[in-house]
Amino acid sequence: EIVLTQSPGTLSLSPGERATLSCRASESVFSNYLTWYQQKPGQAPRLLIYGASSRATGTPDRFSGSGSGTDFTLTISRLEPEDFAVYYCQQYGASPITFGQGTRLEIK
Amino acid sequence: EVQLVESGEGLGQPGGSLRLSCAASGFFFSRYAMHWVRQAPGKGLEYVSTINTNGGSTYYADSVKDRFTISRDNSKNTLYLQMDYLTTEDMAVYYCAREGLSGSLDYWGQGTLVTVSS
Repeated sequence: EIVLTQSPGTLSLSPGERATLSCRASESVFSNYLTWYQQKPGQAPRLLIYGASSRATGTPDRFSGSGSGTDFTLTISRLEPEDFAVYYCQQYGASPITFGQGTRLEIK
Repeated sequence: EVQLVESGEGLGQPGGSLRLSCAASGFFFSRYAMHWVRQAPGKGLEYVSTINTNGGSTYYADSVKDRFTISRDNSKNTLYLQMDYLTTEDMAVYYCAREGLSGSLDYWGQGTLVTVSS
């Protein structure tokens, strides 16, 4: 199975700053079937980015996804207070679906 | 509005069984593959199982293979997860999710908590 490794594990930033989250795959993700989710405490994950770079309906344009093959990035251009959460990457280029271990974005 | 509502939350005993349901509304349920994903307390997301649109093809994580069974009733717009031979490792919040574009899971239920204890 494809292993996804997210870094850093925890990212401490202030509102207004730029956040860069990384997701590295153990092998190339077919068709860039790489997805990013945001999860807040007590809530289900929320789809942010699919196909590595396409924003889901309702995703603010301060969120952007990039990358291909084995290296993918989620960038939040200017952090808003509501962006502090845990972010997961997920691939479905090959079965089984796998998730990264998550990056916790916390307020500095 | 797309809605997925899980039920079946409860306490199971080690070696016992539980069945989860996920009622879908607001979309053509029979046209979408569906998935179960779980999250142990304080941990990350873990894939559990997948079923295709007509139920003819299923897939399981190694951790649940031969113990869990995914199924669907398109006439009732409902997804199921039969969980047998439960272990404490199965304790988690279980989410059902709809498969969207490019392999994403675009809609998720609110989750249902499964506790396994004697």
